[in-house]
Amino acid sequence: DQQVKQNSPSLSVQEGRISILNCDYTNSMFDYFLWYKKYPAEGPTFLISISSIKDKNEDGRFTVFLNKSAKHLSLHIVPSQPGDSAVYFCAASAGGVDSSYKLIFGSGTRLLVRP
Amino acid sequence: GAGVSQSPSNKVTEKGKDVELRCDPISGHTALYWYRQSLGQGLEFLIYFQGNSAPDKSGLPSDRFSAERTGGSVSTLTIQRTQQEDSAVYLCASSSMGRTDTQYFGPGTRLTVL
Repeated sequence: DQQVKQNSPSLSVQEGRISILNCDYTNSMFDYFLWYKKYPAEGPTFLISISSIKDKNEDGRFTVFLNKSAKHLSLHIVPSQPGDSAVYFCAASAGGVDSSYKLIFGSGTRLLVRP
Repeated sequence: GAGVSQSPSNKVTEKGKDVELRCDPISGHTALYWYRQSLGQGLEFLIYFQGNSAPDKSGLPSDRFSAERTGGSVSTLTIQRTQQEDSAVYLCASSSMGRTDTQYFGPGTRLTVL
């Protein structure tokens, strides 16, 4: 029972163009969402987050959009750079006293930015 | 300052053996997490330590798995009588405090059970 789904295992984009990575979730209790980036042989590194009270958060080239009614979020990278090539994980957590720290991760999308 | 470190980076063991995986969190971080990533899967929560509170062990897949955190710092994840399905990358993360505080991950330990 996957609560966080990344249905595209891979994505290839030309340098300079926009990369759009998608994530769907099923648990309506999730109220905090994050994107992590992972290079081979390294641990995931935090990229950007969004609270459910917002529908957009922007940080430089990275923007996360949240559509609560559709239980969907997306990460936009523009312009894409070859150094962005990595696996991107979507993660979510639910509010409340218990287990609010648990991050539920998607299976990841491997992004390749072609020079 | 140093990030989260884990040792060993790679561990190959035979089915039925016990293994210990170590995590050194970022100094001053009170929260410590263990996750594992099986091939082609996302990260799966295993266990959470926060200060002196009782750990949340709800993600441990079986009683062969245990973890402890000594002195509120270093943590050891122990897998007894390893099985082939235990093969995965085991990742440790730490955060300062609070659910929206960023979790910083170590490089992971790749465990292979033959």
